[in-house]
Formats: sequence, structure tokens, C-alpha cells
Amino acid sequence: AQSVAQPEDQVNVAEGNPLTVKCTYSVSGNPYLFWYVQYPNRGLQFLLKYITGDNLVKGSYGFEAEFNKSQTSFHLKKPSALVSDSALYFCAVRDIHGSSNTGKLIFGQGTTLQVKP
Amino acid sequence: DAGVIQSPRHEVTEMGQEVTLRCKPISGHDYLFWYRQTMMRGLELLIYFNNNVPIDDSGMPEDRFSAKMPNASFSTLKIQPSEPRDSAVYFCATTKGVRETQYFGPGTRLLVL
Repeated sequence: AQSVAQPEDQVNVAEGNPLTVKCTYSVSGNPYLFWYVQYPNRGLQFLLKYITGDNLVKGSYGFEAEFNKSQTSFHLKKPSALVSDSALYFCAVRDIHGSSNTGKLIFGQGTTLQVKP
Repeated sequence: DAGVIQSPRHEVTEMGQEVTLRCKPISGHDYLFWYRQTMMRGLELLIYFNNNVPIDDSGMPEDRFSAKMPNASFSTLKIQPSEPRDSAVYFCATTKGVRETQYFGPGTRLLVL
């Protein structure tokens, strides 16, 4: 069965420091991986995705994520955190495997990022 | 493009009342997803449509919930009768093609008293 795990409920970093939000996944075929961000009282906003190609994916607001097939991970990173990055972050996976290509996204439980001045 | 549009943004109702949530997808998008978000259960996929046809409704919690997509520009999620445990934020998301990015609406915050 497909699944996504975000092992940390909350990540705290100081402004200007690098940040990492962790995500691991489990799929039967090749994964399509996504990161979304949710600000308070807002919908989810797309940050970046991995489909194929380079393992390092660059996205919006200076975020990037590294796909690691051997570790089945897709960690979100940013070299220098901003207070305005404080939000709830979701990792999601879509299983692309032959006829089971349904378009459904499986979301992790979310990680709250708190960036302190 | 205006993005995915949801209405109402907030809904407060009393237990037993019918609630209808609405979604207008991004023009040209052929997949539409309804999600529910709560603190306890996180984001749950309720149902999704492809070309206006329901494909998977396995996430619909019970018969009180129903969803329709009468045309490519409009979908509804109905709860009848509503219960306090239905209180949540309901999101609609759409995408063009099964391999593409899902774009979310702003959500409807439902409170059932």
C-alpha cells in the first residue's frame, strides 16, 4: 500500500539557519512526489514536485527537495529560513504504476515549521 | 486564472441541517478531488471525479455524504443530515491529467453545532 511519513510533528529553526523537513514514502511503482505548504486559514499551495530527472528539485520561495530512491526519501530543504516560512508543510506521493495510475495523492500528516527571529 | 473557487468560505449550521459545499474547478482541469481536514485525522480524500464521473468514493465517511459533478465547471459536496463530528475544513482540488499538480481551493470551514 502507498504511504507517506513525516516523522516530525514540528521543526523549529532560527531565522537564517538552514531547514530540513523530512518525508519518506512507500509505493509499489515509481513515485511522483510533491510538497505543499499551508498557511493559517488558507488552502494548500504547491511548492515543488519530483517526476523524473534530477534528484534535486527546486521550487517556490527558495525551497528545494532531494529525491533519494535508495532511502525512499524526499526531504524539503531551504538554505536560509525566514520567519515568513512558518507554516504547515505536507509531503504527498502519487503512485504511477501501470493501470493503477489513478491520480490520487496520498498525504503525510504534516509538519509544522516554526522559524524564530 | 482565478484558481479553484469554493463557496461558502465559512458555514455554521445546526445539527440535522443539510449543508452544501460548492467548487468551481480551474478551466480545463479534468480531475476534481474533495478533501476533508481535521486536527485528528489530517487530510483525507473523500471522493474524486474524472471528466465529471465519480471514480473513487471510498473515502466518503457514510451515506450522509454525497457528491456530484453535473458538468465540468461545478461540483457539490452535500451532507444531510449534518452532525457535529462533520466540523472540519473541506477542500476542493483540481488537476489537468493524472500526472499533473493538484491545485487547491481556499477551503470551506464548516462548523456544525
